[in-house]
Parts: sequence; structure tokens; C-alpha cells
Amino acid sequence: QVQLVDSGGGVVQPGGSLRLSCAASGFRFRKNNMHWVRQAPGKGLEWVALISSGGDRKYYADSVKGRLTISRDNSKNTLYLEMSSLKPDDTAVYYCVKDFNWAFEYWGQGALVTVSS
Amino acid sequence: QSALTQPPSASGSPGQSVTISCTGTSSDVGGYNYVSWYQQDPGKAPKLIIHEVSKRPSGVPTRFSGSKSGNTASLTVSGLQAEDEADYYCSSFAGSDNWVFGGGTKLTVL
Repeated sequence: QVQLVDSGGGVVQPGGSLRLSCAASGFRFRKNNMHWVRQAPGKGLEWVALISSGGDRKYYADSVKGRLTISRDNSKNTLYLEMSSLKPDDTAVYYCVKDFNWAFEYWGQGALVTVSS
Repeated sequence: QSALTQPPSASGSPGQSVTISCTGTSSDVGGYNYVSWYQQDPGKAPKLIIHEVSKRPSGVPTRFSGSKSGNTASLTVSGLQAEDEADYYCSSFAGSDNWVFGGGTKLTVL
């Protein structure tokens, strides 16, 4: 069955950096587009970024453009989110999500990122 | 402010039907048949229940249905059950490889 395991969350100071990882299994990772979606505490969902199956196309929400970078290693079935210049507003649970026809089909369990001094 | 507008709450008694609306614009909901709906239990990751406006993934009960008219999409839960109590979010592809979500609706089963 499809499994997405998010890791790498933690507490970081404003202006700091962090890298999230998502280990995928149970499907042909290299054939699927992947997203990151986040949810601030007690708030709704926000789309963050998309990467194409081959990794050659990447798209970002305006709120994170230039600060967050999505990438993937198809040889390791792993998705990444490099986060830099972090702000308190970036505090959220970050979910790795498998795309299916422009819907968010399968979700990881989430990784909590807290940006605080 | 969320890009798509949902009512913050909805409720119904067991066995009743309830409909949750999701209003966007011609640039998202009205422009594409890529509206999806998600159910989220407290402390859990969201679960896809409707994609492409009205398609149900395997395993999702048939009492969940989706539709769209113009810039407004709707999720209907028929024959409400206690286990349907959760937060529900709509989402739409918005062009230029961008996606938007609604603010979420808390469904209470009375």
C-alpha cells in the first residue's frame, strides 16, 4: 500500500534553515508528481509546492517563492523540501502528498516545523 | 484569507443529508474540473474523498458526492453517520500550476 513518511521537522529560529524529507513506498514514485502542503496550527490547508515526476519542473506558492525549494531523488524514492530564511508564519505541519489528476491523493503523516526564537 | 470560500460550520442529524459549498472564481473552480474534497479528523492527515468535481476514490462511501455549478462546488453527505463528523476542505487547481484551498468546514453530527 502507498506509504509516505515525513521527517525532519523541528524548532528553528527566524532566519534559519531546515530540510524536510519524505520517504515514499508502495507506488511507482518516479512516475508521479509530488506536492508539499502545509497547515498552520488550528488553521486550514495551504499548497506549498509541486515537483514533476522527473524533477525538471517545479512550482511554488507566492508565499514561499525564493525561500523554499522542492526536490526529489527518484533513485531513493525520496522527496525533499529545503527551507531557508524561515519566518514565524512558516510554522506549520508540512505534508508530503502524492498527486493524482491534480488532486492530493495520498498524504504523509506530517512534519511539524516551528519557527520561534 | 482563503482563496475559496466555505461556511465555517455545518450540521445535521444522523440519516439526514448535508451540503457544503465551496465558492471560488472563474480562475479556479469555474475554470477547471479539478475540484477536490478532503476529510480531516483531528490530529490526522487529510483524506481525499472526491476528485475531479464528482469522482470518488476506491473505498470512499457512496454517500459522499460532489458537484459543481459555475464558480461554486458542493459536497453532499447523504445518510449522515456519526463517523462523518470531521473538518472538510475543498481545493481547486487555479492555473499556472497553482492550487487553492477553502478555509474548511467543521461538520457536526447532532
